[in-house]
Amino acid sequence: QMAQSPSSLSASVGDRVTITCQASQDINNFLNWYQHKPGKVPKLLIYDASRLGTEVPSRFSASGSGRHFTFTISSLQAEDIATYYCQQYASLLTFGGGTKVGIK
Amino acid sequence: QLQLQESGPGLVKPSETLSLTCTVSGDSISGSSYYWGWIRQPPGKGLEWIGNIYYNGGAYYTPSLKSRVTIAIDTSKRQFSLDLISVTAADTAIYYCARWFALGGTKYFDYWGQGTLVTVSS
Repeated sequence: QMAQSPSSLSASVGDRVTITCQASQDINNFLNWYQHKPGKVPKLLIYDASRLGTEVPSRFSASGSGRHFTFTISSLQAEDIATYYCQQYASLLTFGGGTKVGIK
Repeated sequence: QLQLQESGPGLVKPSETLSLTCTVSGDSISGSSYYWGWIRQPPGKGLEWIGNIYYNGGAYYTPSLKSRVTIAIDTSKRQFSLDLISVTAADTAIYYCARWFALGGTKYFDYWGQGTLVTVSS
């Protein structure tokens, strides 16, 4: 199980945004982060808990290991409006509940 | 460029079987570093992983759906499929097929189909 929080947030352009995921057991670094925009397919942003995906802007970052993980957008842009999901693969696969990010 | 395309009925009656096919183009479906998966998203809800299959037919599923799901693969047709039996309205969702890259400890969904909406209703 992956407990993701918050379920939604609103922030201003330029703000720092942080999302957390907590695993019910130690999952090492077997965690990915995806961005899902309305009407689009999910896009991989972060793999292995902290590695940036291909052509992903450097304002996205993530960290963590074991049970606690953090995803950060250092300076929120209008095009970052989306729902973000963590996903563990230490034991089968599970997505977190998602965090819907909006603009104030 | 790898492409995946879901196909199948958009409307299924309650208690019947939901059947979808994903056709892969642009790359081999038999690569040793890849699995092929199904994910769904009910209206207004989050993503739910359904299951993955390897080119040799080995499959694994999420426990909550395991008793109702079968994923199969036909490498000669470059297709893999999803069967979900005894559907209810709770199975209404956008269904995505995707490629699961798996090399050592690094694994992730890297390519996705566009998704297909399946509605369960009489």
